[in-house]
Amino acid sequence: TQLLEQSPQFLSIQEGENLTVYCNSSSVFSSLQWYRQEPGEGPVLLVTVVTGGEVKKLKRLTFQFGDARKDSSLHITAAQPGDTGLYLCAGEDSGGGADGLTFGKGTHLIIQP
Amino acid sequence: EAQVTQNPRYLITVTGKKLTVTCSQNMNHEYMSWYRQDPGLGLRQIYYSMNVEVTDKGDVPEGYKVSRKEKRNFPLILESPSPNQTSLYFCASGRIAYEQYFGPGTRLTVT
Repeated sequence: TQLLEQSPQFLSIQEGENLTVYCNSSSVFSSLQWYRQEPGEGPVLLVTVVTGGEVKKLKRLTFQFGDARKDSSLHITAAQPGDTGLYLCAGEDSGGGADGLTFGKGTHLIIQP
Repeated sequence: EAQVTQNPRYLITVTGKKLTVTCSQNMNHEYMSWYRQDPGLGLRQIYYSMNVEVTDKGDVPEGYKVSRKEKRNFPLILESPSPNQTSLYFCASGRIAYEQYFGPGTRLTVT
């Protein structure tokens, strides 16, 4: 099983600040997904990145896939309290297997008003 | 509305009493999967299914069974639950394995 390390584990910042969270592995992934999970709910898919070096934007969120497809970052600009949640990255095995996703343990993000 | 539904949402049971958690999706997805989520361990895959009658083990399959007789349903069966199976369970489905839509979760407590 490939491992995904997410950092930081916990992050608490003030509304309006910028932040970056990271997802790293020693393994190559065919694609990488970011999910957000709110308390009492299932994870919700935010984005999929497929190509090394790819950058995708979703409003104030910017996602980047590393050139070697081993890591990814999520940058939030001008964070809002509504961004609070658990951010999970998940990678698809590059071996072509059909066994779904490997998840990181997540970054707990709290945006204080 | 496109969704994945799970039932029950909450369940408290005793050791050894067989239980089934149902999962249904209305998006005609071929891929379905079960995960458990535990503090400090994250989401771990239990079983997955690429299509009807095709199932395979994930990372933590011990103590669980699944079946996929219909495309829309993927029940999770605990034949003899034990306290270490107390967890938050999620069912997910997707057109492809790497873009999954999750259900709302089932919180299971085994005493």
